[in-house]
Amino acid sequence: KAGVTQTPRYLIKTRGQQVTLSCSPISGHRSVSWYQQTPGQGLQFLFEYFSETQRNKGNFPGRFSGRQFSNSRSEMNVSTLELGDSALYLCASSSWVGTTYGYTFGSGTRLTVV
Amino acid sequence: AQSVTQLDSQVPVFEEAPVELRCNYSSSVSVYLFWYVQYPNQGLQLLLKYLSGSTLVKSINGFEAEFNKSQTSFHLRKPSVHISDTAEYFCAVRGDQTGANNLFFGTGTRLTVIP
Repeated sequence: KAGVTQTPRYLIKTRGQQVTLSCSPISGHRSVSWYQQTPGQGLQFLFEYFSETQRNKGNFPGRFSGRQFSNSRSEMNVSTLELGDSALYLCASSSWVGTTYGYTFGSGTRLTVV
Repeated sequence: AQSVTQLDSQVPVFEEAPVELRCNYSSSVSVYLFWYVQYPNQGLQLLLKYLSGSTLVKSINGFEAEFNKSQTSFHLRKPSVHISDTAEYFCAVRGDQTGANNLFFGTGTRLTVIP
């Protein structure tokens, strides 16, 4: 069974630009959530999508947005990039059925804003 | 609101020695608890989880954790560590808001195994 796939693995952007990150969950998982990891703030929850609807949102500015498609793949977008947006962005898919209960994380996208 | 406290930011330990990584949580309802491990430049890998039932949970690589409701703790232990256990370890609790499916993480503990 394939794991959670995040693309791209690395990204370098300039301040003011926007970026889109992609996450393909484990087949059959309908929930996808996003986290930002930085040395200063640690792991922080961004948002969660379930069946194409945002179900929960963390405390991030509106520059951070996301969406989920009918095949459960998800994208997150960050507009007007700031230096402080440099981070590892992790996606997790989750399932609440049977022994696969829990969260599986992808390898992340390392975003560097210069 | 939920929160997770990992009391030790760094834990150095000699190879083959035992180790305990501490984790305390706060939650007003029943909890789901997790330990994840992260190697450099990688994502999070699930080590073990507590959902219900037996309070002692074990991983396939020798780690174990015990859910202690009275002390609101979920400490991770291993009786004998290996060099390959050097990594960062995160304790997490699932949010308890209705419909919430997100994790709250501790700040992590960097375990360094010394040869």
